[in-house]
Amino acid sequence: GAGVSQSPSNKVTEKGKDVELRCDPISGHTALYWYRQSLGQGLEFLIYFQGNSAPDKSGLPSDRFSAERTGGSVSTLTIQRTQQEDSAVYLCASSSPGLAGGHQETQYFGPGTRLLVL
Amino acid sequence: KQEVTQIPAALSVPEGENLVLNCSFTDSAIYNLQWFRQDPGKGLTSLLLIQSSQREQTSGRLNASLDKSSGRSTLYIAASQPGDSATYLCAAYFGNEKLTFGTGTRLTIIP
Repeated sequence: GAGVSQSPSNKVTEKGKDVELRCDPISGHTALYWYRQSLGQGLEFLIYFQGNSAPDKSGLPSDRFSAERTGGSVSTLTIQRTQQEDSAVYLCASSSPGLAGGHQETQYFGPGTRLLVL
Repeated sequence: KQEVTQIPAALSVPEGENLVLNCSFTDSAIYNLQWFRQDPGKGLTSLLLIQSSQREQTSGRLNASLDKSSGRSTLYIAASQPGDSATYLCAAYFGNEKLTFGTGTRLTIIP
């Protein structure tokens, strides 16, 4: 498949446990984005990677959230000590470099990971 | 504060009619605006991307316009079909390395 893939598609966890969400972007896309979509809310930006570096971490809601990207490809979003308010759909997107560094190019989204914290 | 607004939150239209979805943004210094479609339980599908230098983009039955001076974008859907039922999201890029999304319009096409 040529699209963005995410795993797992669904995750149910108990409050206080750690979870790791994975995103596999489209091959060749240097920019990678994580967003969160809570029930009835719009999409909330979490973090952006250009290659392996994350110049903008301002959207991470707390220090329980972290993300990394290795080899300029796969990214993982880790939530430690999950809380019920972390329940949401976590979406990953990637975009090609383009002429303007990636932000002005179309973002292609994965199907998301639906996280439920009990 | 840079914000994107979509009104109405929900819209129902009989099959075959043409319709317009609205998106407004607070900062005219927009780089581009993107329209997405989201089906229930699914991710986002990009429909159209309009750069700030463009006035409109077309793809099949879809036409998106951008008016920076008034802070508005519209998505026009011609000859609507039941398969067009979905939530439509607009997102603006203001040059700060992320997309700012509206909360979407949930469209229902009535057969």
